[in-house]
Amino acid sequence: LAKTTQPISMDSYEGQEVNITCSHNNIATNDYITWYQQFPSQGPRFIIQGYKTKVTNEVASLFIPADRKSSTLSLPRVSLSDTAVYYCLVGVPAYSSASKIIFGSGTRLSIRP
Amino acid sequence: DGGITQSPKYLFRKEGQNVTLSCEQNLNHDAMYWYRQDPGQGLRLIYYSQIVNDFQKGDIAEGYSVSREKKESFPLTVTSAQKNPTAFYLCASSRGGPPLDTQYFGPGTRLTVL
Repeated sequence: LAKTTQPISMDSYEGQEVNITCSHNNIATNDYITWYQQFPSQGPRFIIQGYKTKVTNEVASLFIPADRKSSTLSLPRVSLSDTAVYYCLVGVPAYSSASKIIFGSGTRLSIRP
Repeated sequence: DGGITQSPKYLFRKEGQNVTLSCEQNLNHDAMYWYRQDPGQGLRLIYYSQIVNDFQKGDIAEGYSVSREKKESFPLTVTSAQKNPTAFYLCASSRGGPPLDTQYFGPGTRLTVL
């Protein structure tokens, strides 16, 4: 099982770039890496997904080294509204058993003015 | 608007009672999921359904039951056998095809056992 490990919490300031790293040493060949954002009392929301190298969209970038044993979510110029819990998810639920759908404990990101 | 709806938003139950949480999606997604979240914790998978009339147990299925008779509906029943049911319950759906498809989550149901 591709279990993930993330820092429990991180603090930063408005306007800074924030990088959150996720370790997934047992990632399988077919596994993709997906990041979600969750605000209190809401369901998680998709941020970005990747398989290797770098992926960028309008809100974030995802860096994945060649060995794919870790990944880094990069949030450019954060604002107060980026304060949330960020989850790293590894797996391919469409072709795997339910037990491979594993959300990590998440990283609680706090942004200060 | 397409999306996932969960009802009710808040639910109170007496000990020993079964209760059913509703989850409906109009995204035409094949796969649907139920997660449980306890305060300050991550999401834990209860059940997963890849297609109608089929579902698989997740990590914490004991004390829960599901059905998937229609593509758009995936109700979760919390039975009296669930020893500590007070939690935030989240339903999600995904297209179900490769690769790891984006999961779209509902607003959640907060269940409190009195």
